[in-house]
Amino acid sequence: GDSVTQMEGPVTLSEEAFLTINCTYTATGYPSLFWYVQYPGEGLQLLLKATKADDKGSNKGFEATYRKETTSFHLEKGSVQVSDSAVYFCALRDTGANSKLTFGKGITLSVRP
Amino acid sequence: DTAVSQTPKYLVTQMGNDKSIKCEQNLGHDTMYWYKQDSKKFLKIMFSYNNKELIINETVPNRFSPKSPDKAHLNLHINSLELGDSAVYFCASSQELSYQETQYFGPGTRLLVL
Repeated sequence: GDSVTQMEGPVTLSEEAFLTINCTYTATGYPSLFWYVQYPGEGLQLLLKATKADDKGSNKGFEATYRKETTSFHLEKGSVQVSDSAVYFCALRDTGANSKLTFGKGITLSVRP
Repeated sequence: DTAVSQTPKYLVTQMGNDKSIKCEQNLGHDTMYWYKQDSKKFLKIMFSYNNKELIINETVPNRFSPKSPDKAHLNLHINSLELGDSAVYFCASSQELSYQETQYFGPGTRLLVL
C-alpha cells in the first residue's frame, strides 16, 4: 500500500539557518504530493504541492520538487524564521479510485531567535 | 470568513457517553472528510463523503457514525466513548474527489475521554 516516510525529529534550528526535511514515498500509481503545516493549536494548512514528476511546489520561501526517480519530495527553505516553528507533514494521494490522503508521521520544527 | 469550522473545539466527557462533533464548510466543496490525530500527531483518515455519499470508511469501529445532511455538513457521532477515543479530530473538505485536489482542514476538536 501507499506510505510516506519522513525523517525523524524534532529539528531545532537557529533563525536564518537552512532547512531540509526529507520525505520519501511508496505508491502504486502516480500520486500527487503535498506538504502540510500545523501551527500550535491549529488545524493543518497546505504549504505546497506537486501533482506530477519534476514539478516544483513553492510557497512562503519553502520549496519541494517531485522526484520520481528517487521517490522523494524533500522540503527546503533557505532561511528559516521563528514563525516557521510548527509541525510539518508530507503526504501523498494516489491516482486510484477513491484514494485517500496518506500522511507521514510529521516532524516538529523549532526555530530559535 | 471561516472556511471549515468545527464545534466544539474542546470536548471532555466520561467513558460510556455519546457525543457529536459538527463540521461545516462554506467553500462549496463536494467532498468532506474526518481524520483522527493521535497523541503522537499521527493523522489517519476515518471517513470521506462525496455529495453526501460515503466513499471511504477506514475500518473505524461501528461506534463512530458519520452523517452528512447536505454537502456543506459532515457530522461525527460517537457512541459509548472509550479512553482510546481521546484524540484530536479534524474535518476537511476538497472541491472534488480528485487526487490532485487540496484538502482544507478545520481547526480540530480536542476530545478527552475520562
